[in-house]
Amino acid sequence: QKEVEQDPGPLSVPEGAIVSLNCTYSNSAFQYFMWYRQYSRKGPELLMYTYSSGNKEDGRFTAQVDKSSKYISLFIRDSQPSDSATYLCAMSNSGANSKLTFGKGITLSVRP
Amino acid sequence: EAQVTQNPRYLITVTGKKLTVTCSQNMNHEYMSWYRQDPGLGLRQIYYSMNVEVTDKGDVPEGYKVSRKEKRNFPLILESPSPNQTSLYFCASSVTWESLGYTFGSGTRLTVV
Repeated sequence: QKEVEQDPGPLSVPEGAIVSLNCTYSNSAFQYFMWYRQYSRKGPELLMYTYSSGNKEDGRFTAQVDKSSKYISLFIRDSQPSDSATYLCAMSNSGANSKLTFGKGITLSVRP
Repeated sequence: EAQVTQNPRYLITVTGKKLTVTCSQNMNHEYMSWYRQDPGLGLRQIYYSMNVEVTDKGDVPEGYKVSRKEKRNFPLILESPSPNQTSLYFCASSVTWESLGYTFGSGTRLTVV
């Protein structure tokens, strides 16, 4: 079993839809959870990060962590065409970048 | 503007011809790292550096070398490139090795024929 599994996608939704992106993981020591967004021909950029279980909200984005189920989610409300990108989850057990484990990413397309 | 700059953006080379991909950051970050991104495999770490003159292997270091003589620069060296090193490469940095969240460069697409 891979340490981090992410739905391969791609995912296509109409503008205004609520999007749910998910990752599961097997390493119960993971405590820090991140979502990166990667536009075409660009490097990933940090979108959100959370520590341990719970929710974190930032505008239209909500990150959710369920450590008991080893499951993390990113919700995008009122999705916009500008949200079209690849989304990667990443996680760490030590809070150290040297130990970040990334999911493979899912490509989201928001249709106008 | 705070950024990580990689050069070149695109490179086509032949097997065995040594090449260097440069990476420079202007944020005084201590931690820098190289990743390669391949379809179906995601981002995999090649090497990282916690500070000047301190480097260590990531998950896929074979065939690569790095150096960190100055804080701002972290070049990736392929001494004898092979076709299986055809990939999209990203340099990243962060304030310290303990900080969460990288700043990534825009990538270098390397093709080895």
